[in-house]
Amino acid sequence: EVQLVESGGGLVQPGGSLRLSCAASGFTFSRFWMTWVRQVPGKGLEWVANIRPDGSEKYYVDSVKGRFTISRDNAKDSLYLQMNSLRAEDTAVYSCARARRYNDNSGRDAYAVWGQGTMVTVSS
Amino acid sequence: DIHMTQSPSTLSASVGDRVTITCRASQSISHWLAWYQQKPGKAPKLLIYEASNLQSGVPSRFRGTGSGTEFTLTISSLQPDDFATYYCQQHESNTLTFGGGTKVEIK
Repeated sequence: EVQLVESGGGLVQPGGSLRLSCAASGFTFSRFWMTWVRQVPGKGLEWVANIRPDGSEKYYVDSVKGRFTISRDNAKDSLYLQMNSLRAEDTAVYSCARARRYNDNSGRDAYAVWGQGTMVTVSS
Repeated sequence: DIHMTQSPSTLSASVGDRVTITCRASQSISHWLAWYQQKPGKAPKLLIYEASNLQSGVPSRFRGTGSGTEFTLTISSLQPDDFATYYCQQHESNTLTFGGGTKVEIK
């Protein structure tokens, strides 16, 4: 079964750090673009970052540039999001997702497999 | 950055109705548009990719059209399982953006 399972969320103080993980199974992880998307409960979806299959290209939404780092370990079938200098406005459910196309180079793709998400709350 | 605008933000409809949701891009994105369905507490589900291609397993009552800056998602005959929130997403660039969402409610 194709599956993505996020972990690492929790309560953190403003200015703090958190590292999210996304464990992939049921597919060849190293051949797909991956992304992180967040959603404030009751609000819309916001794309956060994505990463090329080999990790050589990474892209971020402006609001997290310089604070968040997306990475992956293809040997461990895992995706990560290191979040530093956290702010109250980063509070959301963070979900990882897998692109639709296998072995795509462009990254111009929709996301066909999603995890259930992990909640991050930034509050003092 | 490419900005995506969806309309309406909320739509009230009955089972059997034909429903149309519009998504506009701030600049041309060719056919690089996806549509997702999300139910409360659940992950988004991909319905349509590249503007008009039905994702495997998605019922044929869902149809995507458009190119350039204007796109539509049409549900030909609304079913009870279709009451949800729908999002468009451009994937023309590697910096992705979503529309604000359209909630389809029971009339």
